[in-house]
Amino acid sequence: DAGVTQSPTHLIKTRGQQVTLRCSPKSGHDTVSWYQQALGQGPQFIFQYYEEEERQRGNFPDRFSGHQFPNYSSELNVNALLLGDSALYLCASSWDRTTEAFFGQGTRLTVV
Amino acid sequence: EDQVTQSPEALRLQEGESSSLNCSYTVSGLRGLFWYRQDPGKGPEFLFTLYSAGEEKEKERLKATLTKKESFLHITAPKPEDSATYLCAVQGAPGSGYALNFGKGTSLLVTP
Repeated sequence: DAGVTQSPTHLIKTRGQQVTLRCSPKSGHDTVSWYQQALGQGPQFIFQYYEEEERQRGNFPDRFSGHQFPNYSSELNVNALLLGDSALYLCASSWDRTTEAFFGQGTRLTVV
Repeated sequence: EDQVTQSPEALRLQEGESSSLNCSYTVSGLRGLFWYRQDPGKGPEFLFTLYSAGEEKEKERLKATLTKKESFLHITAPKPEDSATYLCAVQGAPGSGYALNFGKGTSLLVTP
């Protein structure tokens, strides 16, 4: 079992650009959640996808959007990047939204 | 609004010196309280889920307990490989969504 896999592991982008991060959930899981973790802080919830729909959203602007595919994998898109978007982006998967979430290794995004 | 406060922010222990980490929470109905371990630059690793006051769970040198207002992570005779940041998160009752609300974590350093 490969667990939750994220790509890429590191990314450097320029202010104003757009970025897409990808996540494959753990085998058997149907729910994907995305979190943003700034240095020295706990992860902050961005949104959750279940049955290919956004089911819940945290306090993040519309520049953050996502998608879930029929195979349960997911993408996180961020438009018009700001310096403050620099963070570790974490994908977590679970079964049926209610069970414990397993995290990927994260994507380190640096905006310059 | 759900709140999670972890203390202390940082803890330094000698190998073999037992201690406890605290997680205080306020939530309008608790579905579950989760403990994770996070190594630098990595995604959080799931440790325990606790669902009701009085529940306890153990794994190797770690033991998690839950009351109606807080959870403790007891570390018995820690080893240097236990050094990491320990994160606590709560999931609210049905109707409040399934997002995990994290504390800022406790950074643990165990020296030989």
